[in-house]
Amino acid sequence: TQLLEQSPQFLSIQEGENLTVYCNSSSVFSSLQWYRQEPGEGPVLLVTVVTGGEVKKLKRLTFQFGDARKDSSLHITAAQPGDTGLYLCAGVKGGSEKLVFGKGTKLTVNP
Amino acid sequence: DAGVIQSPRHEVTEMGQEVTLRCKPISGHDYLFWYRQTMMRGLELLIYFNNNVPIDDSGMPEDRFSAKMPNASFSTLKIQPSEPRDSAVYFCASSPTGPGEKLFFGSGTQLSVL
Repeated sequence: TQLLEQSPQFLSIQEGENLTVYCNSSSVFSSLQWYRQEPGEGPVLLVTVVTGGEVKKLKRLTFQFGDARKDSSLHITAAQPGDTGLYLCAGVKGGSEKLVFGKGTKLTVNP
Repeated sequence: DAGVIQSPRHEVTEMGQEVTLRCKPISGHDYLFWYRQTMMRGLELLIYFNNNVPIDDSGMPEDRFSAKMPNASFSTLKIQPSEPRDSAVYFCASSPTGPGEKLFFGSGTQLSVL
């Protein structure tokens, strides 16, 4: 059983569309991170959220941490082909110190 | 600044052979991690080191896997003997602050065991 469930697993959209991907768990996390991974490369950190209800914006990307700190979402406005990649959420479960990763959402933005 | 450097980028070997993956972390980062990525299981933490000392190897699949960090600038992950189910992308990552903090990943080693 995956500790962090990401949905959808795959998403293919046209340039200019908006989208939201989700990261859900039944466990409480002290923090959640979002990474983007491009083909043939390692993941790169986009943002860390630590407070329940927190919202962070990074240009066209908006990240939200759930009030109960069990889930998070990533919203992309006006997607561009450069947003294509695998989006991974990773969290530190309460009482642990290690990051656990979800399997990711593979996003394709078509020109 | 150079990031985390892994070698080789690709490795193709036959079942039963020994495989050694190499990693140079970012200078000054006290933590080094080895992860494995597959479609089925995603990214899994195999082992991590703090100041060259192995802290948690609970993710190492079995005795065929071993990891060493002889100094602050070099680590190896060895599989002996290799099996087809070991085929995956192996990532090395480093962090200046800890296992739950921002990780800096290398580009990975794509391992295929035939």
